[in-house]
Amino acid sequence: RKEVEQDPGPFNVPEGATVAFNCTYSNSASQSFFWYRQDCRKEPKLLMSVYSSGNEDGRFTAQLNRASQYISLLIRDSKLSDSATYLCVVDGFHTGGFKTIFGAGTRLFVKA
Amino acid sequence: DAGVIQSPRHEVTEMGQEVTLRCKPISGHDYLFWYRQTMMRGLELLIYFNNNVPIDDSGMPEDRFSAKMPNASFSTLKIQPSEPRDSAVYFCASTRAGTDTQYFGPGTRLTVL
Repeated sequence: RKEVEQDPGPFNVPEGATVAFNCTYSNSASQSFFWYRQDCRKEPKLLMSVYSSGNEDGRFTAQLNRASQYISLLIRDSKLSDSATYLCVVDGFHTGGFKTIFGAGTRLFVKA
Repeated sequence: DAGVIQSPRHEVTEMGQEVTLRCKPISGHDYLFWYRQTMMRGLELLIYFNNNVPIDDSGMPEDRFSAKMPNASFSTLKIQPSEPRDSAVYFCASTRAGTDTQYFGPGTRLTVL
């Protein structure tokens, strides 16, 4: 089982749709959680951090459920420019030290 | 303000050749990470440094891979000898202690023929 697992995608949605991505992690000692965005042939960039209380940034809402070891990202009113791969990222202590683990990513295509 | 700088942006080489990838982190950042990204395996952490010291190299695939950070503004990832299965995009990222965000460079797209 992978340490960080995401919806495989791709998600194909029309403009204006609401779309949700899920991510689960296996290490209960994980400490920090993030969503990164990666455009085609570009580097990953931080979209938002994820806190237990949940956090919102404009059209984007991230949630963390530590008990279920589950992270989500909700995008409302999708724009064409939201088309990208969304990476779930988990930081925490593993055997051998502190590690940053990236999920495989979920691809989103927003169509006009 | 310059971001993380990587060179070269593209590298095509033949199997058995030595490849050196270079990274300049953001000034003032004390953590530097090397990642490899492929379609099959996604983004994998290879090694990271703190204050120029390698902290965890457990992600380095084998002895053909080595990384150095001789000073706070420069790091190299070397593959010797290179093999076709090393073909991937190699990213360097940096961050500052106490912050969460890792800033990635544009990556080096390596093709080993």
